[in-house]
Amino acid sequence: DGGITQSPKYLFRKEGQNVTLSCEQNLNHDAMYWYRQDPGQGLRLIYYSQIVNDFQKGDIAEGYSVSREKKESFPLTVTSAQKNPTAFYLCASGDRGRVYGYTFGSGTRLTVV
Amino acid sequence: AQSVTQLGSHVSVSEGALVLLRCNYSSSVPPYLFWYVQYPNQGLQLLLKYTSAATLVKGINGFEAEFKKSETSFHLTKPSAHMSDAAEYFCAVTPSGNTPLVFGKGTRLSVIA
Repeated sequence: DGGITQSPKYLFRKEGQNVTLSCEQNLNHDAMYWYRQDPGQGLRLIYYSQIVNDFQKGDIAEGYSVSREKKESFPLTVTSAQKNPTAFYLCASGDRGRVYGYTFGSGTRLTVV
Repeated sequence: AQSVTQLGSHVSVSEGALVLLRCNYSSSVPPYLFWYVQYPNQGLQLLLKYTSAATLVKGINGFEAEFKKSETSFHLTKPSAHMSDAAEYFCAVTPSGNTPLVFGKGTRLSVIA
């Protein structure tokens, strides 16, 4: 079955550490997205990529980095520069240039300990 | 720039009653509009979308939404609420397939037996 897989489901980070969240899709979608979800704030865009080896900042990119070396993969690194990283992170993919809606992964819950 | 306002962060209805979740959008160009549902600790699932065809859009699980340009609204309705409808609902907007979705802050629906 085609889909989008995020791992791990739960992640704990110590202060000052970088952590990487994985996102893999086998839907043959060109575009991939990272959103952050906090209670009462909806989903806010961190980064997105519409083609391999290219990506753009979203509304809250500070303290995050991404790469897009393969069409199937779009990992997100939460760096130590992100002052409040505790949140639910959602990865999504979609067809570039088409408005069919996105397919979402099941999310990664990151907690700073 | 596009934006979405969802009126009411929490809506509570009795089982069997009408569900009405409100969404108003702001867009400088004709928008594409979406409703998503999220169950606890899961990703988002597409309920329905408006892509400039029929203004009354039918989705999954008995939900539907009507695009009203004059009111800049895209409210979600369901004639009879079921316990399984309890979840968080998000409205989203984009002007094109090349622009990431902008989400509202969400409305949590509770269904009372």
